[in-house]
Parts: sequence; C-alpha cells; structure tokens
Amino acid sequence: AQKITQTQPGMFVQEKEAVTLDCTYDTSDQSYGLFWYKQPSSGEMIFLIYQGSYDEQNATEGRYSLNFQKARKSANLVISASQLGDSAMYFCAMREGNNFNKFYFGSGTKLNVKP
Amino acid sequence: GAGVSQTPSNKVTEKGKYVELRCDPISGHTALYWYRQSLGQGPEFLIYFQGTGAADDSGLPNDRFFAVRPEGSVSTLKIQRTERGDSAVYLCASSLTTQGAQPYNEQFFGPGTRLTVL
Repeated sequence: AQKITQTQPGMFVQEKEAVTLDCTYDTSDQSYGLFWYKQPSSGEMIFLIYQGSYDEQNATEGRYSLNFQKARKSANLVISASQLGDSAMYFCAMREGNNFNKFYFGSGTKLNVKP
Repeated sequence: GAGVSQTPSNKVTEKGKYVELRCDPISGHTALYWYRQSLGQGPEFLIYFQGTGAADDSGLPNDRFFAVRPEGSVSTLKIQRTERGDSAVYLCASSLTTQGAQPYNEQFFGPGTRLTVL
C-alpha cells in the first residue's frame, strides 16, 4: 500500500486566492511526522511545513497551513493568498516513528498560479 | 552558509557504464540521505548514513547500486553497469542527526544530479 497518496496531479488557482492540496497517509505507528515540500522547476526541495502526530493544533507557517485530520489520516496543505511564485510541484511526505530517518514521499501535485 | 551541493548537475552515460555521483552535505550534519526521483514521481528513498555507516540501505534497488561516506562528510553514490531505467534525478539530503537535535529532523536537499543513460 502507498504510504502517501496525493490524488491531484495538477491544480490551477487564481492569484491571491487560497488553494488546498490533498494528502492522505497510511501508517500503523502512533508516532509519525508529516511534511510538505515545494519543488520549483529548478529542482531543489524546499521544506514548507511540519505536523507531528501528537500535535493538537494544525501547523502554520506564514501563508502555509496544514489541515491535519488524524482520524481521516489526511494532511492537506492550504496556501492562502496564492502568488505567482507558488507555481511549483508540491510533495507531501511522512516519516514513521520506528524509522525516524526514512521519508516516504507522495507523487506530488503540480500547482499553477494564474495571474 | 553553503547548502547541500551535488556534482555533477547532469550526467549522460551509455548503458553498461559505471557512474559516480557526489554529495557534499551541510557542514556539521551527520545524517545523509540519497533519494531517486523518476520523472513525474516523488523522491524515493535509497539509503541513509549516520556518520560513516549506512544505517539503512533498504531502498537500494539492487546490487549495482552502492554508496559510501568514508569520512562522515562527503558521500558518493556509485552505479555499476548502468541501465536505461536508472535514468532519474538523484537527490541528496542532510540533517543534523537524531530526533533530539531537531523537533522534526528537517532534511535539507541538494539540487540533484540528473542522470541520463542512453
């Protein structure tokens, strides 16, 4: 089974609008961490936001927030006030408590911000 | 400060050849990771080093792939008898180390090496 599932291969959003990128995960561990990375066309992976499985509040980092629904095993990324520079690939990733240093990535969502 | 660097940025080789890909982690980072990213996919874990030793090499696809980190800093990913299916971007990442060092053990990625096997 896939550890991380991203069902949206591509998304469009109008500049200044908010957009939600979906991510569901699969683990039997109680302790795990969820991450979102941005990958521009230049190729580097840029860390955006982290949510721990025991964190009671949704993580926020500037315009990024993570909608963490533990019972549904979902960790959607919300980008508010989209900017043209947000156009990129976005990857959801997970590490599990029994293998802290091994990341599992989803297949990504290509976000295009329209002016 | 310098981030993770990888050389070469691009490598084109012929089927059956041997290649080496190099990664320079962030200074002071003891953990180093290699990932492979095929076109249209997310990064796939290959191997993880803690210091000089490979702590987890479960992602290496077969024995043609090998990685070393002899002095606990620079790492080299080695691919023998390359095949066309090895064509991908090979990403390296580093992190400080264990759970206690950072709350979320953020991995810092390099720009990748694009390997093309003809």
